[in-house]
Amino acid sequence: DAGVIQSPRHEVTEMGQEVTLRCKLISGHNSLFWYRQTMMRGLELLIYFNNNVPIDDSGMPEDRFSAKMPNASFSTLKIQPSEPRDSAVYFCASSLGDRGTYEQYFGPGTRLTVT
Amino acid sequence: KNQVEQSPQSLIILEGKNCTLQCNYTVSPFSNLRWYKQDTGRGPVSLTIMTFSENTKSNGRYTATLDADTKQSSLHITASQLSDSASYICVVSAFSSNTGKLIFGQGTTLQVKP
Repeated sequence: DAGVIQSPRHEVTEMGQEVTLRCKLISGHNSLFWYRQTMMRGLELLIYFNNNVPIDDSGMPEDRFSAKMPNASFSTLKIQPSEPRDSAVYFCASSLGDRGTYEQYFGPGTRLTVT
Repeated sequence: KNQVEQSPQSLIILEGKNCTLQCNYTVSPFSNLRWYKQDTGRGPVSLTIMTFSENTKSNGRYTATLDADTKQSSLHITASQLSDSASYICVVSAFSSNTGKLIFGQGTTLQVKP
């Protein structure tokens, strides 16, 4: 199994541009979690899906952020327009379920730099 | 307010030595507590996960303890190796029937020196 796949691994963009981050779940998993990590704030849960349905998006910072899960194995996180304070590492994690007892497997992350 | 606090913030030890990392939490309703290891430039990897009824769980040289009464957890690393240098993150899950939250600690950065 290839594990959770994220792309791109690094993204550098200018303020105001649209950024799209991508994540492919582990086969057979049905829950997906998007996280953001910065030195100041540590790891933060942005949103999570179960069976393609967004369950909790209370961590999404503002309307500039949106996430979709068009099918059972793939998700995107879009930032539009991007701002320098969005610079962070964005992780997605895959799980067999969204109940707290299920293990989460993290992808390698996308390092986003907004200049 | 749901909160997870870890200590120390950073730690330097010599290879071969033991160390203990602490995690205190105020989370309700408590579902489980996890310890993750995060190497530089990589995603977190789960070390242990403990539910309310579990007091201790081991994963090789890593042993986690949980005291649900005092709401404290510790991660003990035995006979440290250079590869243990990483950030260790304590995460508490608060899941009920229709909602769920993961509350993250800020992490402890461990450096193991030869």
